[in-house]
Amino acid sequence: GAVVSQHPSRVICKSGTSVKIECRSLDFQATTMFWYRQFPKQSLMLMATSNEGSKATYEQGVEKDKFLINHASLTLSTLTVTSAHPEDSSFYICSAVATGDSYEQYFGPGTRLTVT
Amino acid sequence: GQQLNQSPQSMFIQEGEDVSMNCTSSSIFNTWLWYKQDPGEGPVLLIALYKAGELTSNGRLTAQFGITRKDSFLNISASIPSDVGIYFCAGQADSSYKLIFGSGTRLLVRP
Repeated sequence: GAVVSQHPSRVICKSGTSVKIECRSLDFQATTMFWYRQFPKQSLMLMATSNEGSKATYEQGVEKDKFLINHASLTLSTLTVTSAHPEDSSFYICSAVATGDSYEQYFGPGTRLTVT
Repeated sequence: GQQLNQSPQSMFIQEGEDVSMNCTSSSIFNTWLWYKQDPGEGPVLLIALYKAGELTSNGRLTAQFGITRKDSFLNISASIPSDVGIYFCAGQADSSYKLIFGSGTRLLVRP
């Protein structure tokens, strides 16, 4: 079945530093990937749509200069949290849609970011 | 923006009991999906519904796509302890693949 991985699974960083999170589709190509953020005991909130070879589309209220997204290949999208602050601490989850597939999104296992 | 209202917020039931949860929306969706999320992990797809009125089963799980395309329910029959987790509904309104998630139903099963 379709597998999506995320790296790292957990990261702790100091306030003011930048953190990169990778999302990979392991056994399929993904033209479109999505990045979500989930705060404790809350639902998944879509941050942005990542399209291979083009700029990401950000949801309203999400700062594109703070959350840099790069979808350089059909199997890799990266999310960089720049100048992280404690309020950026959250669970970040990516998903991928297989090229030419139905509407199904395959989710990664998530990355727990803690900013101290 | 579009929102999904999911209920109940949480359920604490006895093993063996049946469970029902639902989602409603003020706008139409073309696809309804039900996911389960365990702590510290990403959501896993349980059932996908693509047509209004569609009733689909996956083992002990049954879900339906409402006729009005504005609601969906998920039933779990004969619950077991491993059913514990958070269940999310999600709707897809257009061909952009974007999903709107419900607020989740936290299920606890007492052995």
